[in-house]
Amino acid sequence: QKEVEQNSGPLSVPEGAIASLNCTYSDRVSQSFFWYRQYSGKSPELIMSIYSNGDKEDGRFTAQLNKASQYVSLLIRDSQPSDSATYLCAVNMNYGGSQGNLIFGKGTKLSVKP
Amino acid sequence: DVKVTQSSRYLVKRTGEKVFLECVQDMDHENMFWYRQDPGLGLRLIYFSYDVKMKEKGDIPEGYSVSREKKERFSLILESASTNQTSMYLCASSFVRPNQPQHFGDGTRLSIL
Repeated sequence: QKEVEQNSGPLSVPEGAIASLNCTYSDRVSQSFFWYRQYSGKSPELIMSIYSNGDKEDGRFTAQLNKASQYVSLLIRDSQPSDSATYLCAVNMNYGGSQGNLIFGKGTKLSVKP
Repeated sequence: DVKVTQSSRYLVKRTGEKVFLECVQDMDHENMFWYRQDPGLGLRLIYFSYDVKMKEKGDIPEGYSVSREKKERFSLILESASTNQTSMYLCASSFVRPNQPQHFGDGTRLSIL
């Protein structure tokens, strides 16, 4: 069973702190990794993609990938109350005749306190 | 920007009704997906399609069917709605080439009474 695991949280951080969200995956051949943000009652929104080992930065967001450890993380610097949401980790797992299938973690709920 | 449009944000139907959920994307994506999302269970894949008239079962296809007559449109059908199908339904699309993200519509919150 191919799996993506995340801590469900809630993860609570004070405003201005660094929030660290973690994700592990089971399929060693996975090649692409995505972070989605989902506000309560809304649909998931893509915020980061990462394909190579190392760090990828986009504004206050940094995605980190370690394929040897099968681990991907998302760091949010200078966290704001507007970052309060559930963050979904998604990993590609090619099966069923399509290369577009993703396996989603259940998400980590982040709460940023003013 | 990618636009995935779901026909309804909120829908209330009765047990036993046949329910149609429509999804349209404007990015010429080959892949389209239907998920349901329930608290504590995360996103669960119902069906997906990687080409017109093609469909594949996901993890929870029972009680559902799909139709893809045109590339841009993917319909989810609840053949005989039941209360346990009350959920948030999310449509997504992506390119078929490797390592592409999926893009989601706004979702349909469906209540079956």
